[in-house]
Parts: sequence; structure tokens; C-alpha cells
Amino acid sequence: QQQVKQSPQSLIVQKGGISIINCAYENTAFDYFPWYQQFPGKGPALLIAIRPDVSEKKEGRFTISFNKSAKQFSLHIMDSQPGDSATYFCAARLNQAGTALIFGKGTTLSVSS
Amino acid sequence: GAVVSQHPSWVICKSGTSVKIECRSLDFQATTMFWYRQFPKQSLMLMATSNEGSKATYEQGVEKDKFLINHASLTLSTLTVTSAHPEDSSFYICSAPETEAFFGQGTRLTVV
Repeated sequence: QQQVKQSPQSLIVQKGGISIINCAYENTAFDYFPWYQQFPGKGPALLIAIRPDVSEKKEGRFTISFNKSAKQFSLHIMDSQPGDSATYFCAARLNQAGTALIFGKGTTLSVSS
Repeated sequence: GAVVSQHPSWVICKSGTSVKIECRSLDFQATTMFWYRQFPKQSLMLMATSNEGSKATYEQGVEKDKFLINHASLTLSTLTVTSAHPEDSSFYICSAPETEAFFGQGTRLTVV
């Protein structure tokens, strides 16, 4: 119930292509779904986040699609660039104050030039 | 914007010694701090939650006597890895819950 399942584990996309990473959850008490980008040796950095009352959120080249009934959400990276090569984590948080994020296992994205 | 600063960014220590990692909240007061551990090519796993002025709450399977967490002020939380062993080598990251953008830079601990 506390897990967030992320796929694929790794992804190779050509420059200019669309990268899609998927996550699924079981616990309907989750109310916040962020995506993080992490480069080697660095802490994760918040990329974009969504709440369950919204089906889509777009920020620049990054879009989150959220399907509440299916309990799934995905990250789309449009016009993928070599600089996007990193590990991406989806996460979820319960609707309780002061609770920690639960992370997916991560997706290593490589964008080939 | 508000930032969480973590120090040191990397440390190498001998087996059996103790290492202290600091996490400071800049420009805001953090009543709660989360400590995560990340092994190579793996996800972030919550180790414990520190609360200012009270004892930390540890996740199941995390040895509280080995990973000492102190949150003595609203701007500083520390994690001390006591009697470190090579299997403790990992990436340790702190974050504040006020907003999930606030992750520290992480500390790479290598125990030799």
C-alpha cells in the first residue's frame, strides 16, 4: 500500500524525442505526486509536481499526466536533450502534515545526441 | 528561496570510527527533518524523521543506536554514523517537509 511502482528502470531516447516514465500507486490517501531529477553525486531536485484534483500539469518541456481512477501518473519530457540524461524518481506523499515522501525505484534516462 | 545545506558533501572514514553529517535549513525554520539513505543505483529510502526538541522516529530496520540523529535547533539536524562499517557506505540526504524542493546536496560516505 505504501509503494510507488516506477517503470521503466532505464530508458534511451534520441535527442528531440519524447521520454515517458510511468508510476503507479495503491494508496488513495496519497495527495501529492512530485517528480525529481537527480544527477550523479547530487541530491534530488524537484522537477514538477501534481495533486490529484488536476489531470495534467505542464512546465516547459515537462508534463505530468495524472489518472486518478487508474492510480497512475507519468512524466513526459518533450524534445529530450542530452542534458536531460539523469535519474528520475516519482514520489508520493500521504495527506498528513509532516510525512515523508515515498519514492519509486527510479528511471535512468539517457538521451543520445 | 529557502535552502537546505548539507555538510560535508563527501567523507572517507576508517572502519570503527564515527562520522557526523550536518543538515542546516537556511532562511527558514525546520521543525522536522527527514534523513534518507541511497545506495548506488537505488532509490531513496527514509531512515528517520528528526523533530526539533524531541527524539527522532526511526523507520523499521534502522538501528537507532548506530545512526544517531539530533535536532537541537530549528536550523540544524545532525546524523552521526557510529562505529561505521563498509556496509554503511552510502549517499545520505536530508530534506525538510515544508516544501519537498528542499533536499540537501547529499553526503557520500565511504567507510574503508
